[in-house]
Amino acid sequence: EVLLVESGGGLVQPGGSLRLSCSASGFTFSTYAMTWVRQAPGKGLEYVSTISINGDITKYADSVKGRFTISRDNSKSTLDLQMSSLRAEDTAVYYCVKGWFNFDYWGQGALVTVSS
Amino acid sequence: IVMTQTPLSSPVTLGQPASISCRSSESLVHSDGNTYLSWLQQRPGQPPRLLINKISNRLSGVPDRFSGSGAGTDFTLEISRVEAEDIGVYYCIQTTQFPRTFGQGTKVEIK
Repeated sequence: EVLLVESGGGLVQPGGSLRLSCSASGFTFSTYAMTWVRQAPGKGLEYVSTISINGDITKYADSVKGRFTISRDNSKSTLDLQMSSLRAEDTAVYYCVKGWFNFDYWGQGALVTVSS
Repeated sequence: IVMTQTPLSSPVTLGQPASISCRSSESLVHSDGNTYLSWLQQRPGQPPRLLINKISNRLSGVPDRFSGSGAGTDFTLEISRVEAEDIGVYYCIQTTQFPRTFGQGTKVEIK
C-alpha cells in the first residue's frame, strides 16, 4: 500500500522558515518524481513544486520561486520542502504527491499557518 | 496555462447524471503525443484522489459511472448516476506544462 506521510507543519511568523518532510512507503521511491501541492483554507488546489527522480530537475510555481526549495533523499525515501520568507498567503495544507504527469497518490497533508 | 471549470456548483439529484466542463487556455497535447488532463475528486475533509488521467483513463478502483472525454482544450467529466459518496469537489488539472495548473473546482452537492 502506498503511504505518504507529511510532517513538520505548524505555526510560523511572517518572514520565518519551516521545513516540511514527507515519508514515503509502499513503492520504489527512487523511481518516481514527487510533487508538493497546497490548499489554502476553504480554497482550491495550488501547485507548488516538483522534483525529478534523481533530483536534478526541480520546478516551482512563480508564487514560491526563490523562497521554497524542494529536495529528496532516495536512500531514506523522503521528500522535503524548505520554506523561507514565509508570508500570510502561504498558509495552507501542504500535500505530498507522487508523480510527474500523474498525481496518483496524495498524503493527508500538513497544515502550515503563517501568522504573528 | 489557465484552466477554467464550469459550473462551479452542481446541485444534483441522486441517481441523476452530472457533467463538469474544463477548458484550457492552450492545447494540452504534449510533445510526446499524450494529453495530460486529469480529474481529481476531493471529498469533504479528505485529500484529493486521482480519478482519471490522460483525458479518459480511469484509475483502478474508480467506478465506471465516472468517464472523461475531450481533446485539445475542451474536456468533460461525467458521472452517469450520482451516488451519495460522489459528493465533493472535483478539479481538473493539466500536467502537460509547468507550472501545473488546476481548475477552480466544481462542488457537486445534493439538490
